[in-house]
Amino acid sequence: AQSVTQPDIHITVSEGASLELRCNYSYGATPYLFWYVQSPGQGLQLLLKYFSGDTLVQGIKGFEAEFKRSQSSFNLRKPSVHWSDAAEYFCAVVFNTNAGKSTFGDGTTLTVKP
Amino acid sequence: DGGITQSPKYLFRKEGQNVTLSCEQNLNHDAMYWYRQDPGQGLRLIYYSQIVNDFQKGDIAEGYSVSREKKESFPLTVTSAQKNPTAFYLCALRDADTDTQYFGPGTRLTVL
Repeated sequence: AQSVTQPDIHITVSEGASLELRCNYSYGATPYLFWYVQSPGQGLQLLLKYFSGDTLVQGIKGFEAEFKRSQSSFNLRKPSVHWSDAAEYFCAVVFNTNAGKSTFGDGTTLTVKP
Repeated sequence: DGGITQSPKYLFRKEGQNVTLSCEQNLNHDAMYWYRQDPGQGLRLIYYSQIVNDFQKGDIAEGYSVSREKKESFPLTVTSAQKNPTAFYLCALRDADTDTQYFGPGTRLTVL
């Protein structure tokens, strides 16, 4: 079955440290890949997306993600975390564009220590 | 200002009552979605509509109903048959050109 896994439920990093959030998917072909961020009580905001081409994609707020086909991964990174980055992060995958549905991971909660 | 709006932001319901959550958009996209979010469970798809007057069940449709009479509106009714309706409900629309979903601000429903 097609699935999306975010292995880390909760991550804590110090302000200024680097960040990597993991996302893996199970699917034979290359899907469309997305990262969203959600602040408490708010909707989801799109950070970045990958459809094809350059496997390193840049997003908003200084985030980037790298698609690795061999590992079926799409990890989100940021070189230096700010306190305002504390939020929940969701990886999402579109496996079948005809169906128009996205599959979401369970999310990773990021805490930023001062 | 525009985009995708959900109302109300907070909603309280007594057990046994039906309640309708509003989702409106002015971005002219065909596809709209309703998700339920519970702590630690990510987003689960309730219903979606790819075009006016048509909609499909998602993964957890039981106890919910929708309508899509206008392109701009996709209301969700939480019926009394939904056994555990307290949750955060998110509406989204899809840009078909980029297959990207954009989300509304959400409605938090609490059953008293």
